[in-house]
Amino acid sequence: SQTIHQWPATLVQPVGSPLSLECTVEGTSNPNLYWYRQAAGRGLQLLFYSVGIGQISSEVPQNLSASRPQDRQFILSSKKLLLSDSGFYLCAWSVALASRGAFFGQGTRLTVV
Amino acid sequence: GQNIDQPTEMTATEGAIVQINCTYQTSGFNGLFWYQQHAGEAPTFLSYNVLDGLEEKGRFSSFLSRSKGYSYLLLKELQMKDSASYLCAVRVYRGSTLGRLYFGRGTQLTVWP
Repeated sequence: SQTIHQWPATLVQPVGSPLSLECTVEGTSNPNLYWYRQAAGRGLQLLFYSVGIGQISSEVPQNLSASRPQDRQFILSSKKLLLSDSGFYLCAWSVALASRGAFFGQGTRLTVV
Repeated sequence: GQNIDQPTEMTATEGAIVQINCTYQTSGFNGLFWYQQHAGEAPTFLSYNVLDGLEEKGRFSSFLSRSKGYSYLLLKELQMKDSASYLCAVRVYRGSTLGRLYFGRGTQLTVWP
């Protein structure tokens, strides 16, 4: 069976510090991978989308970047965090045209102070 | 971008029926999903529609009209545990890639005893 691991669950970081969130998927090959952010009381905003190693699409201009060094590994990074980067970050995977959409990791609650 | 609209909040009483509407405007439509999200948790899959009509799954049903850009989620025999945010999501083609998933802001449903 497929599983998705995302860590850490919570993170408190000072403004200007770097960020690295990691997500790995097990039990499937060549998944589509996603990074979403959810601000308090808001919906999920698609940040990055990847269909393969090294293939990253950025949805919105921002202070963040993503990388996919391996087929089932997706990393969200920032060189210098801003207060506005606070939120609930969710990694997800899917296979193209699957009838169940995307499966989500447990999420990371990031607070920038 | 994608325009996905759903009401911000709804309330209902235990045992009742509630209908949550979602309208969307998008190109490259390839399926509509409903997810349930409890506070502080990741979204979980509820239903999928890609063709017009009604899909029924136990107490939950979802309807799609592609020509109207409209969907609804119907919850019957409401229970207290159904209190959660319900997210409407649209999957689209873009360029040569399949499977980008965009979410609405979610509808916070509160079920009262």
